[in-house]
Amino acid sequence: QLVLTQSPSASASLGASVKLTCTLSSGHSTYAIAWHQQQPEKGPRFLMKLNSDGSHNKGDGIPDRFSGSSSGAERYLTISSLQSEDEADYYCQTWGTGVLFGGGTKLTVL
Amino acid sequence: QVQLVESGGGLVKPGGSLRLSCAASGFTFTDYYMSWIRQTPGKGLEWVSYISTRSGYTNYADSVKGRFTISRDNAENSVYLQMNSLRAEDTAVYYCATMFGGVTAIDYWGQGTLVTVSS
Repeated sequence: QLVLTQSPSASASLGASVKLTCTLSSGHSTYAIAWHQQQPEKGPRFLMKLNSDGSHNKGDGIPDRFSGSSSGAERYLTISSLQSEDEADYYCQTWGTGVLFGGGTKLTVL
Repeated sequence: QVQLVESGGGLVKPGGSLRLSCAASGFTFTDYYMSWIRQTPGKGLEWVSYISTRSGYTNYADSVKGRFTISRDNAENSVYLQMNSLRAEDTAVYYCATMFGGVTAIDYWGQGTLVTVSS
């Protein structure tokens, strides 16, 4: 069964970097995913589509501070030079016959 | 620029019906599958349904199958979600979203419309 697993929370200091993880369930390590950001009281925003080889395509206007990478069944979102507006929920998403989301990671910028 | 504007949300009693609309602009509507995703207050995202570019294929989450119907009007650049037999657990913000060319990464989102099911 296709499942996406994310840690519920993460934190990092202003100006630092953070790496968020999304893990695909066993047998699905070749799947691409997408990363989405949801700032407080706002709708989600597409950040990037991330392939199993680590290549990624970012959405409109997404800063270079956001990057993606992959290793096996793990898909990563790295945010560098953290800013206060990066404090948000981050969701990974994948697809088969349906569409599936991870549980989300709440990022706190200290 | 791409805009997705949802409307039609509101308060409805259990067992009632509601029709959500999403007006799209700023892109070639017929290039995109359209999807509805919902978010219970304070919780995560749940995919509800999607429809193919020419309406030939639809799919639904098990939680709404048989109660919700998705449709689109390519002449009006709009997608709809007819929700029947509503339950308290359908209470959520409903987002309209796009997927380019098929079932893939969601690449644009609307701002959402709140549906509250309560007596």
